[in-house]
Parts: sequence; structure tokens; C-alpha cells
Amino acid sequence: AQKITQTQPGMFVQEKEAVTLDCTYDTSDQSYGLFWYKQPSSGEMIFLIYQGSYDEQNATEGRYSLNFQKARKSANLVISASQLGDSAMYFCAMSPNAGNMLTFGGGTRLMVKP
Amino acid sequence: DADVTQTPRNRITKTGKRIMLECSQTKGHDRMYWYRQDPGLGLRLIYYSFDVKDINKGEISDGYSVSRQAQAKFSLSLESAIPNQTALYFCATSEGTGRSNEKLFFGSGTQLSVL
Repeated sequence: AQKITQTQPGMFVQEKEAVTLDCTYDTSDQSYGLFWYKQPSSGEMIFLIYQGSYDEQNATEGRYSLNFQKARKSANLVISASQLGDSAMYFCAMSPNAGNMLTFGGGTRLMVKP
Repeated sequence: DADVTQTPRNRITKTGKRIMLECSQTKGHDRMYWYRQDPGLGLRLIYYSFDVKDINKGEISDGYSVSRQAQAKFSLSLESAIPNQTALYFCATSEGTGRSNEKLFFGSGTQLSVL
């Protein structure tokens, strides 16, 4: 069974600073995918970034990057130059090699201070 | 128009009532999913369907049933609602490649309250 752990229920960051949201996972699969989703207060789920277990380089999408450390089973999300609009819930999720039944972590609420 | 549409957006019901949440999609995806979100627990999979004739239980299927009426429609039913089914419910779709990089596309969610 897969498990995703997000140990930070809530975090504050100053506007324009960088922030790291932690995610650790547990799986016996050799091939898997890791995702981050953002959920603003309006409630929708927005895909941010994806990392494959065999990808040699860390994924980046604009201000988002994924710090992937396979041996430590961690997939932390780094947001550079935080903006007020980054205030939201963030979910880490994992997909198995076959099928797309994403398993989600409990989420981290990020609050950006002006 | 949204690619994945959930109705209703909000619903308040009483214990013991039967309720149906509906999901329709225009993305042409084969795979559809129902998740529920509870504070601190993230999203948990209730049921999923890889095509019209394929229905599978997820992590927390007890107390729920589903129907895949067509490729584009996937409904979730609570036969006899109870208060601990109060949650935010999401429908999601995916293309169906089966690769680990296949992301989910979510509806806007249905907030259900069972009194």
C-alpha cells in the first residue's frame, strides 16, 4: 500500500520569500509518479507539477520546483518568490506504475503574509 | 464551460436520506473517479471506473455506490446518509494511458452536509 505524509499542517511565509512544503512517501513500487496540487479557498484542485520516479532531474514549472530525493523517499515542493495568491492548501499525491488511483497526503495550508 | 461538472455544488440533507451526486465530463476521458476530502485526511478514493463496464471500489467505499451511465457520466449515491459522510466530494477524470504521469482533472466539488 502507498502512503503519503505531509507533516506541516500549516505554514506562514513572507511575500517574495521562498518556501518548502514537505512530502514523504512510502511505496514498494519501483516506478511511480509524484504530483502536487493546489487548492485555493474557492475549492478547486489545480495541478502544479509532476515528478516521475525515474526522472533524473528535478521537475520545474515556473516558480514551482520539486526537490526529489528518491533514497529518502521525499518529494518536497519549493515555491520561489511567494505571492499572496499562493495562499492555499497544497496536496502531495502519488500514482502507482499502473492505474491512476492517486493517493493523497493530508495537505499543508500555506499562508503568505504581505 | 467546465470540463468536469459536478451537481449540486452544495447539498444539505438529513440522516437516512438517499442522495445522489452527479458528475459529467466533456474531456472524452475513459477514467473517472470519486474522492472525498476531510480536513487533515486529504482526499480519499471512494470508487473509480476505467470504462463504462468497469467499476472498482476504492479505499473507503462502504456506504456508497456508483453508476457509470455513459462514458461522460459517473454518479455517486449515498443510500442512507449519515453525519460522518459530511465532506467535500470531488469527481475527477483521466485520459486512460495508465502511465504514472497521467494527471487527474477535477470538478469543482460538492459540499455535502448530513444533519
